[in-house]
Amino acid sequence: KAGVTQTPRYLIKTRGQQVTLSCSPISGHRSVSWYQQTPGQGLQFLFEYFSETQRNKGNFPGRFSGRQFSNSRSEMNVSTLELGDSALYLCASSFGTTSGSGYTFGSGTRLTVV
Amino acid sequence: GESVGLHLPTLSVQEGDNSIINCAYSNSASDYFIWYKQESGKGPQFIIDIRSNMDKRQGQRVTVLLNKTVKHLSLQIAATQPGDSAVYFCAENSPQAGTALIFGKGTTLSVSS
Repeated sequence: KAGVTQTPRYLIKTRGQQVTLSCSPISGHRSVSWYQQTPGQGLQFLFEYFSETQRNKGNFPGRFSGRQFSNSRSEMNVSTLELGDSALYLCASSFGTTSGSGYTFGSGTRLTVV
Repeated sequence: GESVGLHLPTLSVQEGDNSIINCAYSNSASDYFIWYKQESGKGPQFIIDIRSNMDKRQGQRVTVLLNKTVKHLSLQIAATQPGDSAVYFCAENSPQAGTALIFGKGTTLSVSS
C-alpha cells in the first residue's frame, strides 16, 4: 500500500516569495496534519485538515495556510517567506477518528529560503 | 507551557547492548504518548505508543514505561542493532491539544558494532 507522498522533496526559494507544498495521504485516510521541523525548535504542529475543513491549528503566523481537497490531498502555503521558514515540512495522514494516533508521516519537503 | 523533552541529546551504545531513552513531559493532562524513530532523510516512523491508563507496554524488542507520578516516559530497546541508529522522539497528546502531537527535541542513538 502506498505511503504518504510529499512533493516536491526539495525547494529553494528567495525571501519574500511564496511556496506551495503538497501532500497525498494514504488511501482512506481523511485527516492530514502538517508539522515544521527545525534543529532549534524540533517538530511543531502547524495545522490539521479533516474532510476539507481545518480542524486544529498550531501557533504559527497567518502566512502559513493550508487546504484540503475532496480526495483528501492537502496543500500548505507559506507566503512572504522569511529565512526562518527554512525547515523540513512533514505531513502525516490518519483516519482522524482518534486524537493523535494512527499517524503515518511522509518523508517531508526540505525548504530552504535564501 | 506544554512541552515534552528528552534528557539526553545523544546516546552511544555497542551492538547487542540494551538502550534506554528517556523523556520528561510537563502536562499532567496528557493521556497518550508515542515514540517515533526518524532516520536520515525520512519522516518519523511509529515505534510504540501507550495510554495513560497503562504503565508499561511491550512490542518487538521495545518496551515503553510510563511513570505518571514523575511525568516520565522511557523507551527501552533490547539487543540494540546498527539499524536502530536514528533520532528518537517522544510525543504527547492531551485532550486540550485535539489531534496535535507535542514532540520532544529528540535523542540521537548511535550504535557501533
